[in-house]
Amino acid sequence: EVQLVESGGGLVQPGGSLRLSCAASGYTFTDPYMNWVRQAPGKGLEWVGRIRNKFQSYATNYAASVEGRFTISRDDSKNLLHLQMNSLKTEDTAIYYCTTDSSGSPDYWGQGTLVTVSS
Amino acid sequence: DIQMTQSPSSLSASVGDRVTITCRASQGIRNDLGWYQQKPGKAPKRLIYAASGLQSGVPSRFSGSGSGTEFTLTISSLQPEDFATYYCLQHNTYPRTFGQGTKVDVK
Repeated sequence: EVQLVESGGGLVQPGGSLRLSCAASGYTFTDPYMNWVRQAPGKGLEWVGRIRNKFQSYATNYAASVEGRFTISRDDSKNLLHLQMNSLKTEDTAIYYCTTDSSGSPDYWGQGTLVTVSS
Repeated sequence: DIQMTQSPSSLSASVGDRVTITCRASQGIRNDLGWYQQKPGKAPKRLIYAASGLQSGVPSRFSGSGSGTEFTLTISSLQPEDFATYYCLQHNTYPRTFGQGTKVDVK
């Protein structure tokens, strides 16, 4: 059974940094691309970014709203996906989900981790 | 960026009703579209991939159709567990973009 478990969320001040992790199990982690998707309180879904696998040189793409501030990485040896978030803004407050990617779109989702950016 | 416009934004329906949700893309996206269901406090779940492919384990009352710019999610006979919010997502180009969501509630 595929399992994705996010961690690392919490309260951070504007301008601060946070690193989210997603622990994957139940499938061959090295194969699929991975995504981060977020959802602000009471709002819709927003795609954050995607990382390919090693065969595609771990290439990444990001939403314009996080480009230059957020970095997605993966540690295939530990079945971990990361989201490094710098220069956080209040509008980054959201639940952050990691997802696998199959047939081009997010497939399995974790339960999410809440990030609150507030002074 | 490709804009995804869902309609309606909300609808009220009864168990057994046929429900149709539409998603329109601001430019052609072939069949690069998925449909997701989200219940309160839960992570989204993919129902449909590649516009019309039924995700494994998803009941056959869910179906998707369309290509290019116009897409439809149909629930043939609404069940109590189907009251939720539904989103479309285009994965034709970056950035990926979601529709704004359609909330299906009890009439």
